[in-house]
Order: sequence, then C-alpha cells, then structure tokens
Amino acid sequence: EDQVTQSPEALRLQEGESSSLNCSYTVSGLRGLFWYRQDPGKGPEFLFTLYSAGEEKEKERLKATLTKKESFLHITAPKPEDSATYLCAVRPGIETSGSRLTFGEGTQLTVNP
Amino acid sequence: KAGVTQTPRYLIKTRGQQVTLSCSPISGHRSVSWYQQTPGQGLQFLFEYFSETQRNKGNFPGRFSGRQFSNSRSEMNVSTLELGDSALYLCASSKLGGRDEQFFGPGTRLTVL
Repeated sequence: EDQVTQSPEALRLQEGESSSLNCSYTVSGLRGLFWYRQDPGKGPEFLFTLYSAGEEKEKERLKATLTKKESFLHITAPKPEDSATYLCAVRPGIETSGSRLTFGEGTQLTVNP
Repeated sequence: KAGVTQTPRYLIKTRGQQVTLSCSPISGHRSVSWYQQTPGQGLQFLFEYFSETQRNKGNFPGRFSGRQFSNSRSEMNVSTLELGDSALYLCASSKLGGRDEQFFGPGTRLTVL
C-alpha cells in the first residue's frame, strides 16, 4: 500500500528564516512525486512534479528535491504570503492506477512578519 | 487559460438526501479525478474518469458514484447522505493522466446536517 508521511505537521518561521519540509514515501514504483500548496478554503495549487531521484526544481523561494525514499521542499527567506499548507503526493508506477494520487497529511506553514 | 471549475461551491443537505456535484476540467484535459478532503483523513482519492470511462476507484462505498460526459465534464453523486460525508470535494484534471500534472478546482464544500 502506498504511503506518504510529511513532517513536521506544523512549522512556524520568522520572515527570512529558511527551512525545509520533509515528505517520506513508500510506493510501488514512482510515476511522479507532486508538491501542492493549499490555502484555507481553496483547492490545492500545483507547485512541482519530480520524477526521478536526484531531480530538483525551483520556483521563486521554493526548491524541491527528490531521493529514492523522500522529498524535501526547501523554503529560502520565506515571506508571510508563503503561509499555507504544503501537500506532498505520489503517483504509483502501476499503469492501471491512472492519475490516482496518494497524499500526505500536509505541513501547515506559518511565516510571521 | 481557464482553470478547473466546480459547482456549486457550497451545499447544505440533510441525512438521507442525495447530492450531485459538477466539475468542468481545463480545456483539452481528458482525465478527471475526484477527491474527498476532511480534517481527519486528509485528501483521499474517490475515482477517476477518462474518455467517459471509470479508470480507477478508491476505497469508498457504492453510495459514491460518478460519470463523465463526451466533453470531459464530470459529475459525482452521493446518495443517502451521512453526517460523515461532510467534506470538501475536490475535482482535478490532467491531459491524459499517466505522468501528467494534475490541477485542482476550488472544491465544493458539502455540509450534511
């Protein structure tokens, strides 16, 4: 059974204080590891997809990395507007799984000014 | 480019009733997936439709059903509503599924009284 575990559950940072969020996963093959950002009462907003170990992607203050067992979302010099819940999800490598994603519980990030 | 749209945005129903939610995917996207999000269970996969066929199904009772039309628009139906069905129902679309990114709509907030 596919499993995704995110840590920490909640993280409080001061503006400008860099940190990392962790996503550990077990999956039958991997056809993609996805990061999303979700604001309260809204749908998840797509950030990154990573496909193979060693891959890295960046967008503004965010950088996502992938190993064979986990992914990290690094946040450099965060701003209050980066406050949100960050979700990690995996898509198994079994073709019959289609587009199905298995999500972690998320990390709730708060950035104080 | 218009995103995924969902209607209605909010619904209040009573136990035993049934409800139909609608989702219009991004233009050109043929895969539509539905997820249920609750505080206790997080985001859980309900089912996926591709070219009007259910391609994958999560671990939910038969009261949850869906369909997809030839224009890729999708509906999901929940019959005999229970209190525990109160949740944010999210629709996501992707071009073909597989390794494609999946983009989410704003969700429909269902409250069952």
